Amino acid sequence: LAKTTQPISMDSYEGQEVNITCSHNNIATNDYITWYQQFPSQGPRFIIQGYKTKVTNEVASLFIPADRKSSTLSLPRVSLSDTAVYYCLVAPRDDKIIFGKGTRLHILP
Amino acid sequence: DAGVTQSPTHLIKTRGQQVTLRCSPKSGHDTVSWYQQALGQGPQFIFQYYEEEERQRGNFPDRFSGHQFPNYSSELNVNALLLGDSALYLCASRRDHTDTQYFGPGTRLTVL
Repeated sequence: LAKTTQPISMDSYEGQEVNITCSHNNIATNDYITWYQQFPSQGPRFIIQGYKTKVTNEVASLFIPADRKSSTLSLPRVSLSDTAVYYCLVAPRDDKIIFGKGTRLHILP
Repeated sequence: DAGVTQSPTHLIKTRGQQVTLRCSPKSGHDTVSWYQQALGQGPQFIFQYYEEEERQRGNFPDRFSGHQFPNYSSELNVNALLLGDSALYLCASRRDHTDTQYFGPGTRLTVL
């Protein structure tokens, strides 16, 4: 399974756009990139998944360059309620997912 | 449409005891995975069930066992509890073995 590297923590302010970058240099051809959000004492919540280029949904955008060795989760106009841990995961869609330590995002007023 | 549900919400046990945690997958989902999340860490994969069989297993001892029922619900059993088994236990389900996983709220297990 590909190993991912993401910042341990990030701070931002309400109303700003937040970009969290994840490195996955050893990504395999059949790997997908998935991001989850987790609040304390709750289960992770699926945010977005992509394979290449750009994916957008009502919550976030995911940018994946052509070499797929990294990806960037973009959260538009964050609010205090976006304070959470964000996990970047890389795995085939039919395989188990391995979580790293994630990025602790802290939104300030 | 109910999402993934887990019971109980919280549980307190003592060392050496046995515990059973339960999970009902999201409607239409047939694959269930279990994770253990210690405080401050990411979830760790325990095992996955599909068609009532254990498909994959993480690096957990045999004290951790599971079962999947014909209605796709699942149980996680942990025997001979240790203090280190205290954690949030998460269940995740997906529609088939290629779909996105959705997580339940978890069961907080405390071993005294």
